[in-house]
This record gives sequence, structure tokens and C-alpha cells, in this order.
Amino acid sequence: AQKITQTQPGMFVQEKEAVTLDCTYDTSDQSYGLFWYKQPSSGEMIFLIYQGSYDEQNATEGRYSLNFQKARKSANLVISASQLGDSAMYFCAMREAGSLSGAGSYQLTFGKGTKLSVIP
Amino acid sequence: DAGVIQSPRHEVTEMGQEVTLRCKPISGHNSLFWYRQTMMRGLELLIYFNNNVPIDDSGMPEDRFSAKMPNASFSTLKIQPSEPRDSAVYFCASSRLGVQETQYFGPGTRLLVL
Repeated sequence: AQKITQTQPGMFVQEKEAVTLDCTYDTSDQSYGLFWYKQPSSGEMIFLIYQGSYDEQNATEGRYSLNFQKARKSANLVISASQLGDSAMYFCAMREAGSLSGAGSYQLTFGKGTKLSVIP
Repeated sequence: DAGVIQSPRHEVTEMGQEVTLRCKPISGHNSLFWYRQTMMRGLELLIYFNNNVPIDDSGMPEDRFSAKMPNASFSTLKIQPSEPRDSAVYFCASSRLGVQETQYFGPGTRLLVL
């Protein structure tokens, strides 16, 4: 089973509107971290926002917020007031402790991404 | 603070040549990751190190690929001999150890093997 599922290959949103990018995850760990990255057409991977599994409040960073529903194992990214510069690929990722080689591996597992296009 | 530094940013080489990609992680980070990104396969983890020790290299495609981390501030990914199917963007990323620690990516190396 995939550890990170992003079901929306592509999304369109009108400029200034809000948009939600879906992410569901699968883990049996109690302690884990959830991350969102943005990759614009220029290619760099930009960290956006983090949510810890024990965090009771949803994470927010400027126009980005993470809608964390632990029981449903979902960590959706909400972008408010979309801007043209938000057009990019967005990746959801999860970090678990793991136990590879008898030690914590802390590997980051990525979803396949959602391509967001903001329409003027 | 300087982010993750990768060199070269672009590399064009001919099939059969040796290619060496370099990475300097963020100071104080003790985990380092090498990824490859292509349109067909997306983002793939090749290998990662914790405290300079390779933890998992199961993502390395084949014996033509090798990676080293001789010290906490430097890592290399080497392809010998290179093939056209190795053409991709190679990212290096670093972080501190821990599930709560953010992984920061370098700008990537765009490799084209002719």
C-alpha cells in the first residue's frame, strides 16, 4: 500500500480563491511528521509547512494551512487567496522513525504530487 | 545561513563518461539524502546517510551508482559509466535526525547524458 496518496494529479483554481490539495497517509507509528513542499517550474523543492502527529492544532504558515484529521489519516493543504505564483507542483510527505538496520531511519516518503494551476 | 549546496547545477556528458555530483549539507544537519527526479518515475530516494553512515541504498538503481559521505559536510554521488537513461534532476537534501525535522533540498543538478 502507498504510504502517501495524493489523488488529484491536477487542480485549477481562480486567482484570489482558496484551494485544498488532498493528502492521505498510512502509518502504524504514533510519532510521525507530515510535510508539504512546493516545486515551481524552476525546479527547486521549497518547504512550505509541517504538522507533527502530536500537534493538536492545525499548522499555519501565512496563506498556507494544514487541515490535519488524524483519525482519517489526512493532511490536506489549504492555500488561501491564491496567487499566480502559486502555480506549481505540490508534494505531501511523511517522516516516520522506522527501524531499518535497527536504528531510526527517519526516511521521508513523498506522494506523487498535485499540479496546481492558478487562473487569472 | 547557507542552504544545501549542490554542484554542478547543470551537467551534460556523453554516454560512458563518469559523472560526479557534489553536495554540501546545511551545517549541523546529520542526515543527508540523494534523490532523483524524472517525469516518468517522479521523485525517487536513492540513498541516505545518518551521521555519515549509509543507512539505506536500496534505491540506487544499479552498481553504476555509488555514493560516499567522507565527512559531515560533504557527499558525492557518482555514476560510472553514465547512460542516457540516467538523465534526470538529482537532488541532495539534509536535515537533523528525527520525525519532526524538516528536510531541506538543494537546488538540484540537471544531468543530461547524450
